Amino acid sequence: AQTVTQSQPEMSVQEAETVTLSCTYDTSESDYYLFWYKQPPSRQMILVIRQEAYKQQNATENRFSVNFQKAAKSFSLKISDSQLGDAAMYFCAYRVSGSARQLTFGSGTQLTVLP
Amino acid sequence: ETGVTQTPRHLVMGMTNKKSLKCEQHLGHNAMYWYKQSAKKPLELMFVYSLEERVENNSVPSRFSPECPNSSHLFLHLHTLQPEDSALYLCASSANLFGDRSNYGYTFGSGTRLTVV
Repeated sequence: AQTVTQSQPEMSVQEAETVTLSCTYDTSESDYYLFWYKQPPSRQMILVIRQEAYKQQNATENRFSVNFQKAAKSFSLKISDSQLGDAAMYFCAYRVSGSARQLTFGSGTQLTVLP
Repeated sequence: ETGVTQTPRHLVMGMTNKKSLKCEQHLGHNAMYWYKQSAKKPLELMFVYSLEERVENNSVPSRFSPECPNSSHLFLHLHTLQPEDSALYLCASSANLFGDRSNYGYTFGSGTRLTVV
């Protein structure tokens, strides 16, 4: 069974600084997707960034980037120039490509941004 | 507008009540999902529907009964719940059931915060 582990229940960062959220996963598949979702107080899950396992290049979306280490099964999220609006719960998720098996989530990391 | 709308936003119900959660999407998606989100736990997939057919039921107690009358609407009927069922219930949709190169994951609603008293 696939599992996703987020070992940091809570993190904090000073505004304008950089923070890295950790995620590891366990799978025997070779083709899959990894996602980071953000859940602000509004509760809606918003897709932040995604990574295809077959791509070696790390995904980047503006201030958000990932460090994807396939051999180590590690998928960390780096937030640069942190803003107050980045405060939220962040979930790492995994999905096998081309399969009906659905998104598997980690338990989340609560990020606080300090002014 | 999120694309996936859930009502009600909050619900308090007694253990003997019957209530329903509603989810609606107009994104043209063919797959819809119910997730349960409890504090400090990973999201738990409850039900999966594809083209109005239930394709997955993850050992969910029968006091939760899903219904998908068409590809745009999904319901979760609740009856004789327990206090441990209190949680945030999230609905999501995706273009199709299978992940592929064009599928950018799910679109989620804002959830229904359920409290069972």
